Amino acid sequence: EPEVTQTPSHQVTQMGQEVILRCVPISNHLYFYWYRQILGQKVEFLVSFYNNEISEKSEIFDDQFSVERPDGSNFTLKIRSTKLEDSAMYFCASSETGGGILGEQFFGPGTRLTVL
Amino acid sequence: AQKVTQAQTEISVVEKEDVTLDCVYETRDTTYYLFWYKQPPSGELVFLIRRNSFDEQNEISGRYSWNFQKSTSSFNFTITASQVVDSAVYFCALVDANRDDKIIFGKGTRLHILP
Repeated sequence: EPEVTQTPSHQVTQMGQEVILRCVPISNHLYFYWYRQILGQKVEFLVSFYNNEISEKSEIFDDQFSVERPDGSNFTLKIRSTKLEDSAMYFCASSETGGGILGEQFFGPGTRLTVL
Repeated sequence: AQKVTQAQTEISVVEKEDVTLDCVYETRDTTYYLFWYKQPPSGELVFLIRRNSFDEQNEISGRYSWNFQKSTSSFNFTITASQVVDSAVYFCALVDANRDDKIIFGKGTRLHILP
């Protein structure tokens, strides 16, 4: 069964460093998402991406964040200068069609980011 | 505004007991989807069910059942004959189909099944 994959599973970085979290969505999916879950809290939407551009972003997704689909298979989330409060689990998701009507979002296993 | 409320932060029950996890949602849209996800200690999000706003039929899947009541904006989840493996955090979630496709999650209910 096709699945969303994410690498690495755990990333440890120093405050102020740049990190890139990688996701490989399901191959025929066109809509891509990043969500974040700070430890012990709820899952929060960060950004949605379609047709090589951001469709929507939350207020969490500030100028320190960017997303890219560099090669037609990967979907990346970059944090330019990490802060302690960026420590969280980051989930990638993809869907075949956008919108809740048909577009069930399939989640990856998550990348746990720890900023020291 | 879209909102999902899971009033129960943490629940503990003894194995084999039935347990119901409550979910109340708010939305102005008439077309929306409701979800339940399970997050075991390993951290991944496991999809359990999706229900659209036009289908109020209750659903049963093995030991799991869901009660969707539009009149009270609730989408409750019952585990029958609970097992230790059911211990996890359970999230209720909402998508407004006509607005955008971001998933709005509740804060989750941590369920402990005691042996």
